[in-house]
Amino acid sequence: AQSVTQLGSHVSVSEGALVLLRCNYSSSVPPYLFWYVQYPNQGLQLLLKYTSAATLVKGINGFEAEFKKSETSFHLTKPSAHMSDAAEYFCAVSDPGGNNDMRFGAGTRLTVKP
Amino acid sequence: ETGVTQSPTHLIKTRGQQVTLRCSSQSGHNTVSWYQQALGQGPQFIFQYYREEENGRGNFPPRFSGLQFPNYSSELNVNALELDDSALYLCASSVGTRRETQYFGPGTRLLVL
Repeated sequence: AQSVTQLGSHVSVSEGALVLLRCNYSSSVPPYLFWYVQYPNQGLQLLLKYTSAATLVKGINGFEAEFKKSETSFHLTKPSAHMSDAAEYFCAVSDPGGNNDMRFGAGTRLTVKP
Repeated sequence: ETGVTQSPTHLIKTRGQQVTLRCSSQSGHNTVSWYQQALGQGPQFIFQYYREEENGRGNFPPRFSGLQFPNYSSELNVNALELDDSALYLCASSVGTRRETQYFGPGTRLLVL
């Protein structure tokens, strides 16, 4: 079974600083990996996804993530934080050939200070 | 193009009652997946419906059931509500059963008293 662990339930950065949100996965097969963002009182919006093509994945709003098999990681980064980036971020994993389940991490709340 | 919509947006029920939540899939999408997101946690997969049939289920008891209609909209039914059922219920629609293309609705927040 797959699972993801998000390190740090809360991350706080200053506006303009680097954003780094950590996600480690566990999977017995090559996984598909996702990052979603959730703004207050809203559903989830897909930021980016890794589906076994390029290991460096670029997403919306300037975010990107790198799939590192040796480290079983899929950390999310953005060079310069903006106030509008404040939200909850979820990492998720699915098994491309499996039972179609999708497992989410517990989430990381990003705060951006002015 | 219409996105994924859910109704109602908020709902308050008491223990033991039954509830029905509704989801309209995005135009052109034939698959709906339902998730439960408890406060402070990530979403948990409940089940998926594809072509009006259940296509995969997470670790939820049988009192969680669903339907998909010919227009691909879907309902989530929960019987014998428990306090722990209080959560945000999200539906996501996609073309086909793979998760890579799913789009989420805004959710229905259910409070069980």
